[in-house]
Amino acid sequence: EVQLVESGGGLVQPGGSLRLSCAASGFTFSSYWMSWVRQAPGKGLEWVANIKQDGSEKYYVDSVKGRFTISRDNAKNSLYLQMNSLRAEDTAVYYCARLGQWLEGGYYYYGMDVWGQGTTVTVSS
Amino acid sequence: EIVLTQSPGTLSLSPGERATLSCRASQSVSSSYLAWYQQKPGQAPRLLIYGASSRATGIPDRFSGSGSGTDFTLTISRLEPEDFAVYYCQQYGSSSLFTFGPGTKVDIK
Repeated sequence: EVQLVESGGGLVQPGGSLRLSCAASGFTFSSYWMSWVRQAPGKGLEWVANIKQDGSEKYYVDSVKGRFTISRDNAKNSLYLQMNSLRAEDTAVYYCARLGQWLEGGYYYYGMDVWGQGTTVTVSS
Repeated sequence: EIVLTQSPGTLSLSPGERATLSCRASQSVSSSYLAWYQQKPGQAPRLLIYGASSRATGIPDRFSGSGSGTDFTLTISRLEPEDFAVYYCQQYGSSSLFTFGPGTKVDIK
């Protein structure tokens, strides 16, 4: 079964740090771009970061640049998000997601086709 | 940065009715990079449509996507009870950045 399982969420004070993990199984993890997406309470989805298959390219939403770091360990089939200098507005459910890629008619198509169940991060004093 | 706008914010319909959801982009979006997701309360999102019109694996054919340029549409031909949820469009743009629309809630009338 294709599966992503997040862990590492919790309550942290403003300015603190937290490291999220995402364990992948049931597919060749090293073949896919991976993403982190978050959802603040009662709000919509917000893409946070992407990482290429070999970790050589990483991209972030502006609001987390310089504070969050995405990384992966293909030998352990794991994705990580190191979150530093946390703010109240970082409070959210954090999902890891696989970026699926399809080649059809000579064109590549993309979509986040596998999601974890999410882990909750609460930043509060 | 491309901004996605979804309308309406809430759509109140009855089972069996047709739902038409709109996603408008502030700049032209490649159809290859436009996707739709469904999210039910307490659950992770689920990919419905990629490439603006291709159904993801296991998605019923009552879901269809269309559009190009700046205007995209998700249509649910006949609403089933399990289709009442929030729907998000998403685009994958330059510099490998993603953005989601604010979502459309489809609720039971």
